[in-house]
Amino acid sequence: EPEVTQTPSHQVTQMGQEVILRCVPISNHLYFYWYRQILGQKVEFLVSFYNNEISEKSEIFDDQFSVERPDGSNFTLKIRSTKLEDSAMYFCASSLDRDHTYGYTFGSGTRLTVV
Amino acid sequence: AQSVTQPDIHITVSEGASLELRCNYSYGATPYLFWYVQSPGQGLQLLLKYFSGDTLVQGIKGFEAEFKRSQSSFNLRKPSVHWSDAAEYFCAVGGGADGLTFGKGTHLIIQP
Repeated sequence: EPEVTQTPSHQVTQMGQEVILRCVPISNHLYFYWYRQILGQKVEFLVSFYNNEISEKSEIFDDQFSVERPDGSNFTLKIRSTKLEDSAMYFCASSLDRDHTYGYTFGSGTRLTVV
Repeated sequence: AQSVTQPDIHITVSEGASLELRCNYSYGATPYLFWYVQSPGQGLQLLLKYFSGDTLVQGIKGFEAEFKRSQSSFNLRKPSVHWSDAAEYFCAVGGGADGLTFGKGTHLIIQP
């Protein structure tokens, strides 16, 4: 079964450093998403991406965050200057259609720890 | 704004017993509803989803859920739980570019 692949699985970074989280969505999917889950809390929507541009973003997704699909296969989330409160599990997801009729698949996540 | 309420933070069930996890939602239109399961340190696995049609939907691992529009509910059920069902369960609503709105989750504990 096709999978959404995220790398790395764990990342530790110092406060103020830039991090890039990488995702390879399912190959024929068109819509891409990033979510965040702070330890012990619910999963929160960050941003959606379609046709090489951001479709929607939540209030969490401030100027410190950016997303990119640099090469037609990878989908990246960049945090420019990490803060302690950015420590969380970050999930990438992709779907074939806007209404997720054919599925909405999550990756296994990247655990980001900011120290 | 859409929202999801999972009123039970923890539920403990004996192995072999039946299970029902509650989910209530608030959504402006016909909702797309999902149940996901998350094992410790793992990602989110889709159990089942409801878009339209039959209000009783079947999912993987023997789970089912029933959409009740009048009660704004989408409760998850399983007739007989197994120890491997111990996990965190998330109900979610939404669709389109806005992404999914998740509930806070219900932690399921299975007693031997």
